[in-house]
Amino acid sequence: NAGVTQTPKFRVLKTGQSMTLLCAQDMNHEYMYWYRQDPGMGLRLIHYSVGEGTTAKGEVPDGYNVSRLKKQNFLLGLESAAPSQTSVYFCASSLGDRGRDEQFFGPGTRLTVL
Amino acid sequence: GQQLNQSPQSMFIQEGEDVSMNCTSSSIFNTWLWYKQDPGEGPVLLIALYKAGELTSNGRLTAQFGITRKDSFLNISASIPSDVGIYFCAGPYPPGAGSYQLTFGKGTKLSVIP
Repeated sequence: NAGVTQTPKFRVLKTGQSMTLLCAQDMNHEYMYWYRQDPGMGLRLIHYSVGEGTTAKGEVPDGYNVSRLKKQNFLLGLESAAPSQTSVYFCASSLGDRGRDEQFFGPGTRLTVL
Repeated sequence: GQQLNQSPQSMFIQEGEDVSMNCTSSSIFNTWLWYKQDPGEGPVLLIALYKAGELTSNGRLTAQFGITRKDSFLNISASIPSDVGIYFCAGPYPPGAGSYQLTFGKGTKLSVIP
């Protein structure tokens, strides 16, 4: 099993450009998440999904959109990138079993917005 | 999200020494998770704790769920160079009986001097 995979690993954008980050998991997990990690800020939740076709906002959702058309995939979109969105983005997934909160993370996407 | 306070923020130790770090919250948690993040990688789950007072080991790592349910501790015995990384605690947010969101501490950065 590959676990959680993310593409691309690195990306450089110009301000105003758009892009989509792809997350895939092969563990049949129900829940999926997108986080961003910035120095000194830890991991902050952007959006999450508790099942195919559902999404919800996390702590820092502004400037991002997500879609979960298939259970195994969770897409994160930036419609008009800004320098403040320069960060490392992590996708995670979990079983969705209440009382079992373990989340499993992908390797990350390092995004730079110029 | 809920604030989890980790200490120390960073530590430098000699190879072979034991390490202790902790995580505290002003709220009661039903779950404590400990993750390790290697440079350039995603967080990897080390230990999950689900019961107050629980003591769980994973090799040289031992974690404890504090009896007050407001804290948790991680100990590493006989440190080796590959223990270098950032250690995060995490718990379900909002705190309580099962939640599909996690809140993370800001991490303890461990450096091991050979």
